[in-house]
Amino acid sequence: KAGVTQTPRYLIKTRGQQVTLSCSPISGHRSVSWYQQTPGQGLQFLFEYFSETQRNKGNFPGRFSGRQFSNSRSEMNVSTLELGDSALYLCASSSNIGGRVETQYFGPGTRLLVL
Amino acid sequence: AQSVTQPDIHITVSEGASLELRCNYSYGATPYLFWYVQSPGQGLQLLLKYFSGDTLVQGIKGFEAEFKRSQSSFNLRKPSVHWSDAAEYFCAVGGQAGTALIFGKGTTLSVSS
Repeated sequence: KAGVTQTPRYLIKTRGQQVTLSCSPISGHRSVSWYQQTPGQGLQFLFEYFSETQRNKGNFPGRFSGRQFSNSRSEMNVSTLELGDSALYLCASSSNIGGRVETQYFGPGTRLLVL
Repeated sequence: AQSVTQPDIHITVSEGASLELRCNYSYGATPYLFWYVQSPGQGLQLLLKYFSGDTLVQGIKGFEAEFKRSQSSFNLRKPSVHWSDAAEYFCAVGGQAGTALIFGKGTTLSVSS
């Protein structure tokens, strides 16, 4: 099976712009989670989508949003970019069959640099 | 509060020597525990996980970890380190479906020859 894919891999934006990142989960996986990784804060949970519904949300401002499509692909959007949004954004997918806990498998990430 | 602590920020081990990376967690519900590894510029690769059952779990690349409920620990071990093991290692705890993984700050492993 192909792993989790994320596009683009690298992105440079300027303050005030918006950005959209894409994630394709492992085939058959219906849950997609997003994490932000920075040197200072480490890995922090952004949100999780399951069957096109946001099921859980981390402690991030409303500038961070996401959605999931019927094929389980997910996008996250950051509006009005700030310098502090520079980070590696990681997407993870899991099967979540029957509501039990499942392993999250991570993609390679999108490296966002805000200038 | 739910948290994961990895006390060692950076560890250097000689090639061929044994390794133990420490992880302590605080979690209100039944913890599901994971170790991930991250090479520079890469995503996270799952090394091993503990959901239930035998408290000593085996993972990929010769790694193992032991869950000790009384100590709230899930330490990662490897009997003989290879130069290719140099990377950053993250311990994480999660709960039921839909809950977020909570990660430690990570331990950077350097391997000396």
